[in-house]
Amino acid sequence: NAGVTQTPKFQVLKTGQSMTLQCAQDMNHNSMYWYRQDPGMGLRLIYYSASEGTTDKGEVPNGYNVSRLNKREFSLRLESAAPSQTSVYFCASSEDGSWGNEQFFGPGTRLTVL
Amino acid sequence: AQSVTQPDIHITVSEGASLELRCNYSYGATPYLFWYVQSPGQGLQLLLKYFSGDTLVQGIKGFEAEFKRSQSSFNLRKPSVHWSDAAEYFCAVAPATGFQKLVFGTGTRLLVSP
Repeated sequence: NAGVTQTPKFQVLKTGQSMTLQCAQDMNHNSMYWYRQDPGMGLRLIYYSASEGTTDKGEVPNGYNVSRLNKREFSLRLESAAPSQTSVYFCASSEDGSWGNEQFFGPGTRLTVL
Repeated sequence: AQSVTQPDIHITVSEGASLELRCNYSYGATPYLFWYVQSPGQGLQLLLKYFSGDTLVQGIKGFEAEFKRSQSSFNLRKPSVHWSDAAEYFCAVAPATGFQKLVFGTGTRLLVSP
């Protein structure tokens, strides 16, 4: 069991470039999440997918899009990267979004936008 | 809106000494409460969680937390800290009904001195 995997681990972009962060889980979880972590701000929810085929905005969705490709995979796309999107991005999954299910986190992607 | 406050940005504790990390939340009703730990360069790992019942909950790695409704607090404790406990600790809350969207505190970085 790999748990939650994320690719790439590191990425440097120039302003205006686009990229997609990939996330996959092998725990047969229904719900998946994307967070960003910035110094002094904790983790903030960008988008989540309660179940396959659904996606919803979180606290900070502007500048991002997501795709729930199938039950295993949930990608995050930056269409036109900005320096304000420099951050560490974490993907997480849980059995479902109710009853306080534990969220399992991937190792993160460190993104720098120049 | 719900919020989580971790008033201590950094804490330094001597190895073998006891530890208490503070967490206060603001929420309309008693939420689900969590403590996560993040080791350097890693994703987050769940230490413990509180849903209801006994207000003292035990977690992994010898950690415990006590829920105090009157103080809206959920402080994390450990009787004797080990050097391997050096990490960043996040308190989080989730609504007790509806879809679980975690709201994280800003984190407390624990340093362990010899």
